[in-house]
Amino acid sequence: QKEVEQNSGPLSVPEGAIASLNCTYSDRGSQSFFWYRQYSGKSPELIMSIYSNGDKEDGRFTAQLNKASQYVSLLIRDSQPSDSATYLCAVSSGNTPLVFGKGTRLSVIA
Amino acid sequence: NAGVTQTPKFQVLKTGQSMTLQCAQDMNHNSMYWYRQDPGMGLRLIYYSASEGTTDKGEVPNGYNVSRLNKREFSLRLESAAPSQTSVYFCASSENSLPQNTEAFFGQGTRLTVV
Repeated sequence: QKEVEQNSGPLSVPEGAIASLNCTYSDRGSQSFFWYRQYSGKSPELIMSIYSNGDKEDGRFTAQLNKASQYVSLLIRDSQPSDSATYLCAVSSGNTPLVFGKGTRLSVIA
Repeated sequence: NAGVTQTPKFQVLKTGQSMTLQCAQDMNHNSMYWYRQDPGMGLRLIYYSASEGTTDKGEVPNGYNVSRLNKREFSLRLESAAPSQTSVYFCASSENSLPQNTEAFFGQGTRLTVV
């Protein structure tokens, strides 16, 4: 059983701070890694995808991947109250369906 | 650009009733998926279709059937609804080009209550 683990939170950070969200996965053959954001009552929306070791930056978001440690993280700089949501980590091996973690609730306090 | 469209958005069923959830995508994606989301359980895969004409079981397939009607449409059927199937159901699609899977795009969800 392929597993994706996330701390359920809630993770509370003050406005303007850096939020750090972490995810570990069990399948060493995983090749594709995604972060989704889900607001309450809404569907998941893609924030970042990452396929290679290292960092990938997109605006205030940075995804970090370390395949040797089977670890992927998401950093949100200059956190805003509008970033308050549940963040889902998803992992895929080859062309298999995405396996999701249970998500981390982030609360940004104004 | 509609993306992934699910119907209905809300549904209440009595135990034992049947229904079909409809899903259509207009992005010419190869793969389509049905997930359910329950509090504290995350998104769990029910069934998926890697390409037109194929379907496979996911993590929680019991009590469900699916049909990949064509490349655009993928339906989920509950033959005899049970209270344990009360959940939010999401349809998703992805281009799924080898060697790496691409991101999945989600529909707006169907909130199903079985009483």
